[in-house]
Amino acid sequence: DVKVTQSSRYLVKRTGEKVFLECVQDMDHENMFWYRQDPGLGLRLIYFSYDVKMKEKGDIPEGYSVSREKKERFSLILESASTNQTSMYLCASSLRGGGAWGVFGPGTRLTVL
Amino acid sequence: SQELEQSPQSLIVQEGKNLTINCTSSKTLYGLYWYKQKYGEGLIFLMMLQKGGEEKSHEKITAKLDEKKQQSSLHITASQPSHAGIYLCGADILSGRIIQGAQKLVFGQGTRLTINP
Repeated sequence: DVKVTQSSRYLVKRTGEKVFLECVQDMDHENMFWYRQDPGLGLRLIYFSYDVKMKEKGDIPEGYSVSREKKERFSLILESASTNQTSMYLCASSLRGGGAWGVFGPGTRLTVL
Repeated sequence: SQELEQSPQSLIVQEGKNLTINCTSSKTLYGLYWYKQKYGEGLIFLMMLQKGGEEKSHEKITAKLDEKKQQSSLHITASQPSHAGIYLCGADILSGRIIQGAQKLVFGQGTRLTINP
């Protein structure tokens, strides 16, 4: 069964902490994405990567950074967590060139106190 | 502003009734995806549409993409409690910036569907 896995389902952190969210896919997909989902706002793209060591800013990159050292792994980093980063974080992957459906991970619900 | 607009944002229907959710864009949709999400969980892929006029069905769910490829609808026939959840449309929108073939998915705000017994 092809899949995208995320390191944690639930995470609670304190303001100012550095937070790492990990995403791993086993489908050899070139593209990987990080979204956050908030009520009334839907899914918003934070960053995406189209190849190893490559990254592109999405619609809301402020306060986040990413790392893609290996094709199967895409990490989202909150350098100094803030309460407005409390959200559901979803990772996805897809084949280069689109034309194929994106596969999503189960999500990480992050709470920043 | 949203590149994909979904309507309605919330829908409550009686079990057994039919319903339709719409997804509209001002840009051409090069691949339209419908997903379902149970509360607090990840997204489950339902269907993908690529060609203008395309229609796909799975069990009691039918999705269509119009000829102009700017609007899609999701229709559920004889709704059941298992259909409850959040439905999201996502699309590849070529915004004039293709980077080595990568196309980001943009999403509508979602439609929260409640089925009353």
